Amino acid sequence: GAGVSQSPSNKVTEKGKDVELRCDPISGHTALYWYRQRLGQGLEFLIYFQGNSAPDKSGLPSDRFSAERTGESVSTLTIQRTQQEDSAVYLCASSSWGRIGQYFGPGTRLLVL
Amino acid sequence: DQQVKQNSPSLSVQEGRISILNCDYTNSMFDYFLWYKKYPAEGPTFLISISSIKDKNEDGRFTVFLNKSAKHLSLHIVPSQPGDSAVYFCAAIRGTGNQFYFGTGTSLTVIP
Repeated sequence: GAGVSQSPSNKVTEKGKDVELRCDPISGHTALYWYRQRLGQGLEFLIYFQGNSAPDKSGLPSDRFSAERTGESVSTLTIQRTQQEDSAVYLCASSSWGRIGQYFGPGTRLLVL
Repeated sequence: DQQVKQNSPSLSVQEGRISILNCDYTNSMFDYFLWYKKYPAEGPTFLISISSIKDKNEDGRFTVFLNKSAKHLSLHIVPSQPGDSAVYFCAAIRGTGNQFYFGTGTSLTVIP
């Protein structure tokens, strides 16, 4: 079966532009997470979706960041007016309800010039 | 506020020997601890977990030890193999909930 997929794999953008990152979770996984990993740092939690519950947005660093998820399928992470400090690998993960381990996608490498 | 810490950014071990990766945490309310393995250009892969009510969990060559009084856990890999060379992240969560707190990772190199 397919794993978690993310697109694009790489994105280079200019400061001030908006970007949209996509995540396709494993079919049937109700939980979906977005993380960010800056160079030399650990994974930073951004947002969590669980089924039809209200998402936990507590990790979003600013109001330039938003994410949506349609039901239990695709999620998009949008960064508006990108800044150079937004440069990072953005990782998406999904898991089944009640299961501890997450399955990660390969990430989107974002570079803001 | 780094609630999960991996103080060794890198570790080199000879093939066949034991690799010991360490992780410290600050929040005594964590219920589960996990280890992930990450190869370059790939997402992390779940490796092994341990509940806070246990002190050891073993899966093949991988064993995780938890010392709650010291707020410390470790991952032992024995015998180490070159294919184990990767970055290892420890993570902690409360309940089956949402926020996973990750360490900064330890890069393991197993020398053939």
